[in-house]
Amino acid sequence: AQSVTQPDIHITVSEGASLELRCNYSYGATPYLFWYVQSPGQGLQLLLKYFSGDTLVQGIKGFEAEFKRSQSSFNLRKPSVHWSDAAEYFCASRGEGSYIPTFGRGTSLIVHP
Amino acid sequence: DTGVSQNPRHKITKRGQNVTFRCDPISEHNRLYWYRQTLGQGPEFLTYFQNEAQLEKSRLLSDRFSAERPKGSFSTLEIQRTEQGDSAMYLCASSLGQGRTGELFFGEGSRLTVL
Repeated sequence: AQSVTQPDIHITVSEGASLELRCNYSYGATPYLFWYVQSPGQGLQLLLKYFSGDTLVQGIKGFEAEFKRSQSSFNLRKPSVHWSDAAEYFCASRGEGSYIPTFGRGTSLIVHP
Repeated sequence: DTGVSQNPRHKITKRGQNVTFRCDPISEHNRLYWYRQTLGQGPEFLTYFQNEAQLEKSRLLSDRFSAERPKGSFSTLEIQRTEQGDSAMYLCASSLGQGRTGELFFGEGSRLTVL
């Protein structure tokens, strides 16, 4: 079975600092990969996705992620964090023949002024 | 903008009662998913539909849970004889079928509290 690991439960950064959230997946072939953000009381919103092609993908709100097959990783980055980025971030993956994404447990981002 | 709509947003019930949640997906989406999310955890898959057919169910979906999607439009998730362990956020999502990017669009969820 597929699994997604987000090793950091909480990340604290200062406003304006750079950010990297880690995600590792387990899947033999190239998975479809996603990052979602969830603000308190809200549903999940898609930030970006990777299916094939360029391993560096750009998303909304200034986020980007890089697919590294050798490390089975799909880390999310942002060069300068804003206070409004404080939220829960979820990485998800699904296999090419599956329509059911598996989610990680999430990383809670705290932004200090 | 007609995104995924879920009702009710909050439900408080006593143990042993039945509850039903409704999900209205994005109109052209043929796939519909139910996930459960507990505090500090990511969404856990429960079941999904392609049109009106329920194609897969998780082992998390005990026999007290039933989901339907009549006519391939809205869906309902019913929990019978609720238990305190059923307290969670129930998320509905929809997506376009094969050949598309396949990302899920989520509703805001229905939070269940079982007393």
